[in-house]
Amino acid sequence: EIVMTQSPATLSVSPGERATLSCRASQSVSSNLAWYQQKPGQAPRLLIYGASTRATGIPARFSGSGSGTEFTLTISSLQSEDFAVYYCQQYNNWPTRTFGQGTKVEIK
Amino acid sequence: EVQLVESGGGLVQPGRSLRLSCAASGFTFDDYAMHWVRQAPGKGLEWVSGISWNSGSIGYADSVKGRFTISRDNAKNSLYLQMNSLRAEDTALYYCAKDMGWEPSDAFDIWGQGTMVTVSS
Repeated sequence: EIVMTQSPATLSVSPGERATLSCRASQSVSSNLAWYQQKPGQAPRLLIYGASTRATGIPARFSGSGSGTEFTLTISSLQSEDFAVYYCQQYNNWPTRTFGQGTKVEIK
Repeated sequence: EVQLVESGGGLVQPGRSLRLSCAASGFTFDDYAMHWVRQAPGKGLEWVSGISWNSGSIGYADSVKGRFTISRDNAKNSLYLQMNSLRAEDTALYYCAKDMGWEPSDAFDIWGQGTMVTVSS
């Protein structure tokens, strides 16, 4: 089973600052990596797929990079609505789909 | 409007069964694979099961294998999860999610709001 490890668990950032979230896979997942945002009381929302492609309607301040086992989600200038929990997910190995444990981005 | 609406959750005793449903609208249901994802209270996301557009490819998490069965009825634009031998650790909010591909091969671009399942005596 592929294990997805996200770091840090919590990231404290001031509005307007840059946030960098990491996700590591225990084995290569190629570019089959997605990022989701979840706000309290809401369903997850797809931000990035294919490691670097923004989903429909996602602002350009969100960007993804990486391949193989190391991935990064960058939020270039945090807005108030970006404070949330972010999950990475691999979809390279079927029949499993693994999520990371999440990174909470909180207001500093 | 593209929409997924889950139903069927509730309070159930350990060892009993429950069937969840997910009604899809606003897209061509039988063009896409579908999944169930759960989230225990205060915890992260856990993929539960997925099914291809024609039910030809099905997968389960080890934690539910042999107890849960996923199915779909393309004529009714509906996805189902039959949950048997329920345990306390199955307590979670269960989300229905649409795959971007017709096989279970891509990210999940549409999510429902979830239905809560509580397993307790």
